[in-house]
Formats: sequence, C-alpha cells, structure tokens
Amino acid sequence: GEDVEQSLFLSVREGDSSVINCTYTDSSSTYLYWYKQEPGAGLQLLTYIFSNMDMKQDQRLTVLLNKKDKHLSLRIADTQTGDSAIYFCAEPNNAGNMLTFGGGTRLMVKP
Amino acid sequence: NAGVMQNPRHLVRRRGQEARLRCSPMKGHSHVYWYRQLPEEGLKFMVYLQKENIIDESGMPKERFSAEFPKEGPSILRIQQVVRGDSAAYFCASSPDGGITIYFGEGSWLTVV
Repeated sequence: GEDVEQSLFLSVREGDSSVINCTYTDSSSTYLYWYKQEPGAGLQLLTYIFSNMDMKQDQRLTVLLNKKDKHLSLRIADTQTGDSAIYFCAEPNNAGNMLTFGGGTRLMVKP
Repeated sequence: NAGVMQNPRHLVRRRGQEARLRCSPMKGHSHVYWYRQLPEEGLKFMVYLQKENIIDESGMPKERFSAEFPKEGPSILRIQQVVRGDSAAYFCASSPDGGITIYFGEGSWLTVV
C-alpha cells in the first residue's frame, strides 16, 4: 500500500524561501498533490504534478518531482505570514479514488 | 459556484448518541469522498460514493459508521453510538468525474463528551 512521509515542522523568516519535502512509496502514481490547511479550515488544493513532469511552477510555488527517489518537494518563494499553515502531500491509489496523505508539515513564518 | 458545503461545522455529542454529518458537493460533481482527520494527524480515507452507490468503503470502520449519497440531497456520514475516539474532523470532498481535481469542504468537527 501507499505510504507518504513528511517532516513535521518548518520555520522560516518572512521573505525567505520555504521548501517542504515529501517521500512516497508507490512508483506507479501518475500524479501527486499538495494541499494547504489553515487552522480550523478545510484543505485547499494548491497544485498537482503529473509523474511525467520534473517540475511545475505556479507563481510563487514550485513543485519538484524526483521519481527515481520518490521525492516530492514544494518550494514557496518570498514566504509570507499568510503562508503559515499545514501543508500535505498526497498520492492517489491506482484507481484514483483514494488519496493517501502525509502527516502534514506545519510551516511557521516569522516576521 | 459554491464550494463543497458541509454542516454542521461543529457538533458535540454525548457518548452513545448519533452523529449525522452532511455534505453537499460542488455543483455538477457526482463523486463524493469522506476523510477523517484525528488530532495532529493527516487525513485518512473513509469512503467513496457516487450517486446512490458506494464505490469503495475500505476505510470505514466495520461497525457504527455508514454513508450514503442519495439521488436527491446531500451525502450523509452517520456515526451511531459515538465514542470519545470518534472525536475528529470529518472532511468531505467532491470531484466532477472521479479524476484529478478533488476539492475539499471546510470540515465538520465532532467532539464526543
């Protein structure tokens, strides 16, 4: 079965870049997700990347995928205090009807 | 286009009572998913439904939990005889076609006292 791992915590200063890392186990995943959860709120779909891509950029967000190492990262440029949240990576099962989430990385942005 | 709507947002139940959580998917979405998030943990899949059908309930506890998505009306997650361990955030998600774009609701926080 799928297993997704993330580091628990990341602290950065406002204006710096943040890099949130994720490892997954299912090499057949055709795409992978990043979601953001603010306190007491639901999950916001940030972005997803197809497995045939190495990189995807969307404004301040850059997703890097290393399929060989089964490693996914999310880079947030010019991190702002509003970026403080928990970030989850997730991979779908083969049927695409179930997501396995990592435990989440809590990003704290200090002014 | 309203997002995925869940209610109630917060629910308090005494042990042994029933909890009913409702989810209205986004307009045009016929695929609904329920996930549970225990405190300080990630989300865990519970069940996947399409209109009037349960497609995958591999994440549902064997007893006390049930889900439905009727032809008309919202999807319902029902928890009978709640226990303290059921205290969690329950998230509903929907997609138009069971594909890549899956959108989550704001969640229903259940507290069992």
